[in-house]
Amino acid sequence: EVQLVESGGGLVQPGRSLKLSCAASGFTFSNYYMAWVRQAPKKGLEWVATISTSGSRTYYPDSVKGRFTISRDNAKSSLYLQMNSLKSEDTATYYCARRLDWFAYWGQGTLVTVSS
Amino acid sequence: EIVLTQSPTTMAASPGEKVTLTCRASSSVSYMHWYQQRSGASPKLWIYETSKLASGVPNRFSGSGSGTSYSLTINSMETEDAATYYCQQGSSYPVTFGSGTKLEIK
Repeated sequence: EVQLVESGGGLVQPGRSLKLSCAASGFTFSNYYMAWVRQAPKKGLEWVATISTSGSRTYYPDSVKGRFTISRDNAKSSLYLQMNSLKSEDTATYYCARRLDWFAYWGQGTLVTVSS
Repeated sequence: EIVLTQSPTTMAASPGEKVTLTCRASSSVSYMHWYQQRSGASPKLWIYETSKLASGVPNRFSGSGSGTSYSLTINSMETEDAATYYCQQGSSYPVTFGSGTKLEIK
């Protein structure tokens, strides 16, 4: 059974940093692109980042480019999202997802609240 | 950026009623994917590559479309289908989602 378990969310002040983690199991992690998708409270879904199987290619929307960094450790079947210079508009539940052209599996999400 | 416009924003349907949700893309896409999100839960893949049902999705659901116009249809609405449905394109970066259709039971 595919499982994705996010962790690392919490309350953080504007301008500070936070690193999210996602532990994957139930599939061969190194064979799949992975991604982060977020959802602000009572809002829709927004794609945040994608990483290739080896980690050599990464993709971001303009809203987070230069502030967020996606990475992975295939030996640990783990995905990460380093978030710097956080803004109030980054407040959201962050989901880890297994990516093809679509997002086949999602974790339960971890809530990040950016507030002073 | 490809903008996806979903309609309606909200709708209510009676049990047994046929329901159609639409998603229009600002530019042509190869495929459309759909997700169901129940209140308080994570999104679930529902339909991928326009018309393929994800594992466990009842066959009263179907998807169709091409180019810039796509739809998700429920042949006969059931109580458990009440949720928000999002469309998503991955044909080009940035990956984008529609703003969702909230489907309620009447």
